[in-house]
Amino acid sequence: NAGVTQTPKFQVLKTGQSMTLQCAQDMNHNSMYWYRQDPGMGLRLIYYSASEGTTDKGEVPNGYNVSRLNKREFSLRLESAAPSQTSVYFCASRGAGTSGETQYFGPGTRLLVL
Amino acid sequence: AQSVTQLDSQVPVFEEAPVELRCNYSSSVSVYLFWYVQYPNQGLQLLLKYLSGSTLVKGINGFEAEFNKSQTSFHLRKPSVHISDTAEYFCAVKSASYGKLTFGQGTILTVHP
Repeated sequence: NAGVTQTPKFQVLKTGQSMTLQCAQDMNHNSMYWYRQDPGMGLRLIYYSASEGTTDKGEVPNGYNVSRLNKREFSLRLESAAPSQTSVYFCASRGAGTSGETQYFGPGTRLLVL
Repeated sequence: AQSVTQLDSQVPVFEEAPVELRCNYSSSVSVYLFWYVQYPNQGLQLLLKYLSGSTLVKGINGFEAEFNKSQTSFHLRKPSVHISDTAEYFCAVKSASYGKLTFGQGTILTVHP
């Protein structure tokens, strides 16, 4: 099993450009999450999807959109990138029930917006 | 609402010395508690978690943590650290019945030879 995979690993954008970050998991998990990581701020939740076909806002959703394409894939879109969106983005997934309380993280996408 | 405070942003320590990384949380309901580790340029991986039962939880790589409900703490300890333990450590809390994971700000552990 590959676990959680993310593409791309690195990206440089100019202000105003758009891009989509891709995430896929092969663990048959229902829940998927997008976080951003900034120095000294830990991880902050952008959006999450509790199951296929549903998405909800997290703590910092402004400037982002998401799509839960199917059970495996959960993408994050920046429609008009801003320098404040320079960050490391992590996707995570989680199974069901108390045995599934652990979130499994992908390797991250490092985004620089100029 | 729940929150997590990691009391030290950086902890330097010598190899083979003991270490404690401190974590306090606030929540009005029962919680699950987690410690994750992030090695340089990698994603996060679970070190250990407390869901219920024994308040002393053992994790991977010789780490352990103790849940103290009265002090609302979940400090991480290791009796003897190795150079390879150099990483950033995140404490996280989740309501036992609903909701999402809330992370602390992270503690960078640097182990010196």
